Amino acid sequence: NAGVTQTPKFQVLKTGQSMTLQCAQDMNHNSMYWYRQDPGMGLRLIYYSASEGTTDKGEVPNGYNVSRLNKREFSLRLESAAPSQTSVYFCASSEWGLNIGLHFGNGTRLTVT
Amino acid sequence: GQQLNQSPQSMFIQEGEDVSMNCTSSSIFNTWLWYKQDPGEGPVLLIALYKAGELTSNGRLTAQFGITRKDSFLNISASIPSDVGIYFCAGQKGGSNYKLTFGKGTLLTVNP
Repeated sequence: NAGVTQTPKFQVLKTGQSMTLQCAQDMNHNSMYWYRQDPGMGLRLIYYSASEGTTDKGEVPNGYNVSRLNKREFSLRLESAAPSQTSVYFCASSEWGLNIGLHFGNGTRLTVT
Repeated sequence: GQQLNQSPQSMFIQEGEDVSMNCTSSSIFNTWLWYKQDPGEGPVLLIALYKAGELTSNGRLTAQFGITRKDSFLNISASIPSDVGIYFCAGQKGGSNYKLTFGKGTLLTVNP
């Protein structure tokens, strides 16, 4: 039982390049989330998916797109990476909403040069 | 933007000491959560609080949901080296089933 698995763990991009961050959970959770973590800023919600087939914007969605591929998988895409998107990205899941908290993956550390 | 004020930003303590940290807000929250993050890993849930005034323990950790619903604190008793990490508070507002507001974290260092 791996929980929430994120790939890749590290990535370096040049400005303007695109990439997709992958996330999968094996806990049969309905809701999935993407957060970014920056020094001194805590965690900020980028997008979330309340259930399979739905996605909604969070606090900082600009420059990102998401796909809820199925119940297990929720991907985050950067179409044209910018240095301001240098961050650590965390995927999380919850059974349904936030009532029992979030389960986080171990993060993807992204650097955009 | 950020609506939770978490303090202190960092703490340096000796092994065996007790630790206290808190989060305050001008907004009311329905749920308070406390997470710990180890280096290179994602945050892990420590304690969840659902009712104003609620006091909940998890081993050496104790957290309380403030009576005004605008604050919460976390205490760690008899600290040990593995308590090192970043502690985050997070709050969920009513009508927002999928959005958590996170504090900026408290970095705890424990000297053996």
